[in-house]
Amino acid sequence: GQQVMQIPQYQHVQEGEDFTTYCNSSTTLSNIQWYKQRPGGHPVFLIQLVKSGEVKKQKRLTFQFGEAKKNSSLHITATQTTDVGTYFCAGPPPGGSARQLTFGSGTQLTVLP
Amino acid sequence: KAGVTQTPRYLIKTRGQQVTLSCSPISGHRSVSWYQQTPGQGLQFLFEYFSETQRNKGNFPGRFSGRQFSNSRSEMNVSTLELGDSALYLCASSPLQENTEAFFGQGTRLTVV
Repeated sequence: GQQVMQIPQYQHVQEGEDFTTYCNSSTTLSNIQWYKQRPGGHPVFLIQLVKSGEVKKQKRLTFQFGEAKKNSSLHITATQTTDVGTYFCAGPPPGGSARQLTFGSGTQLTVLP
Repeated sequence: KAGVTQTPRYLIKTRGQQVTLSCSPISGHRSVSWYQQTPGQGLQFLFEYFSETQRNKGNFPGRFSGRQFSNSRSEMNVSTLELGDSALYLCASSPLQENTEAFFGQGTRLTVV
């Protein structure tokens, strides 16, 4: 079945440093979504990428979708303590429901003040 | 607009018992999906319902079941509970369209003792 891998599993950064998490799917994705889960919270949607090579920015967050639509990355510039949480990528299976998401294992970000 | 509501928030059950969890989606959202989140396996898709029918199912045993009512509210049931069923169960609602985000509830934390 479809597998979505994410690295690194954990990342500790000093406040103000940059952070990047990478996502790789075993299959081509029709779209990829990113979610953030704060400690003790639930996943919250950040963004969706649909087109090959797409790049989207949200303030200090930059999201990229690979040309082959099998990988993606999330980059945070100048991290803040509010960025703490686990970041997940997720995508639907090939030919499957758009709402049947396979999630990556997540990258847990700790920001040290 | 009210978010996704899951009840109860916390549950403690004994091995062998059965449990029912409830999810009320965002008004107007017809699709409800359920996910299991554990430290070891991460976020895993259980099943999706819309129009009161199960549309997709993840790789879980038949002890996990669900249903959806005409008002789109959904319940999931786990029978003959095992220790390994201890997890955060998340419900996500979505409108019925492609390339749409999932709105997660706060989850039900199930502990099996």
